[in-house]
Amino acid sequence: KQEVTQIPAALSVPEGENLVLNCSFTDSAIYNLQWFRQDPGKGLTSLLLIQSSQREQTSGRLNASLDKSSGRSTLYIAASQPGDSATYLCAVRGFNNAGNMLTFGGGTRLMVKP
Amino acid sequence: SQTIHQWPATLVQPVGSPLSLECTVEGTSNPNLYWYRQAAGRGLQLLFYSVGIGQISSEVPQNLSASRPQDRQFILSSKKLLLSDSGFYLCAWSPLRENYGYTFGSGTRLTVV
Repeated sequence: KQEVTQIPAALSVPEGENLVLNCSFTDSAIYNLQWFRQDPGKGLTSLLLIQSSQREQTSGRLNASLDKSSGRSTLYIAASQPGDSATYLCAVRGFNNAGNMLTFGGGTRLMVKP
Repeated sequence: SQTIHQWPATLVQPVGSPLSLECTVEGTSNPNLYWYRQAAGRGLQLLFYSVGIGQISSEVPQNLSASRPQDRQFILSSKKLLLSDSGFYLCAWSPLRENYGYTFGSGTRLTVV
């Protein structure tokens, strides 16, 4: 059974810092990995989708990498801003489960202080 | 472009009352549809998924049920709510092809009192 772990569970940084969020998964039989952002009381907003054949994806100040063989992904946020404060979730879509569904990590709660 | 609508945004219901949450998707056909629940301080739990009209799979035994009466409509129901049904319910869709990502709705905050 796929298990997804995110470290750290919470992170507080001053504005302007570059930071890295980590995600690890136990089963490398995946189609893709997706990073989401969730603001308090809101739904999930997709940030980046990395296919299993890809190594990284970039969108603005965000860069996500994927090392499928080692079961790891990182989300790099450059020049963090208070508006980046949210919970960040990674999820993998595997083909060893019925319906090829997403398995989520527990999330990293990020606070960027002005 | 594709959009997903979920309502209501918030709901307060007494124990033992029925529940109906609705989710619709626009701009696509034959999507995979999902219901997730996020309890306070806990992760996302998949409740139901559907790959077609009338086709519902349940991930966990519970007090809830789901139906898909139309291609782009997914309904989460309960005949009698329990206190433990409180939580944040999220609907999501994805194309049939596995190399696409998921898109989530804005969620429904359900409080059972």
